[in-house]
Amino acid sequence: QQQVKQSPQSLIVQKGGISIINCAYENTAFDYFPWYQQFPGKGPALLIAIRPDVSEKKEGRFTISFNKSAKQFSLHIMDSQPGDSATYFCAASTIKAAGNKLTFGGGTRVLVKP
Amino acid sequence: GAGVSQSPSNKVTEKGKDVELRCDPISGHTALYWYRQSLGQGLEFLIYFQGNSAPDKSGLPSDRFSAERTGGSVSTLTIQRTQQEDSAVYLCASSLSRWRVLTNEKLFFGSGTQLSVL
Repeated sequence: QQQVKQSPQSLIVQKGGISIINCAYENTAFDYFPWYQQFPGKGPALLIAIRPDVSEKKEGRFTISFNKSAKQFSLHIMDSQPGDSATYFCAASTIKAAGNKLTFGGGTRVLVKP
Repeated sequence: GAGVSQSPSNKVTEKGKDVELRCDPISGHTALYWYRQSLGQGLEFLIYFQGNSAPDKSGLPSDRFSAERTGGSVSTLTIQRTQQEDSAVYLCASSLSRWRVLTNEKLFFGSGTQLSVL
């Protein structure tokens, strides 16, 4: 199976709060898990990515947590800012295969209130 | 420009007409992808080109959809006999995509073409 399930569909958080987005996958062959951020009218842009050989990766206020046994991964946005208001997509792919054909989750619309 | 360029940015067409969407990838990027984003939905893979290899067409939803990539650069996505369910944002992305080189796996997306079929 190629599905990646993402939740919640939308999220409202106060400035300074923590935004948490969860994703679950089925295909155990997936070995690359990026998160993309999309602002209205723009294409998605890579935010942060993780490989399954680590359980956590942090870049600034953004952290990916990865649970290989549960086939789940999540994005935490610490100290959320109004500029973080965007739609976030998790994705997964198999780098071993030719090409990086990403399977995306359904997206989470995050609104950070000032 | 330095980014992926897509044209037109908006396209309104009548049901049954053919449309062509264009993608100009980042210079030097060997891999090119087309994705479709329906309203409030995630991105759905359509087709993938890698250099001179045969494209991966496994995501094309019907034979009304086709794409080509000329000279390993510009790509055109063609939708024949458009239907209302084809209305979506069509996104193009490119990457260096050297196999198993993780640092080259980043996809760079264009801003998309908003297609509306009336």
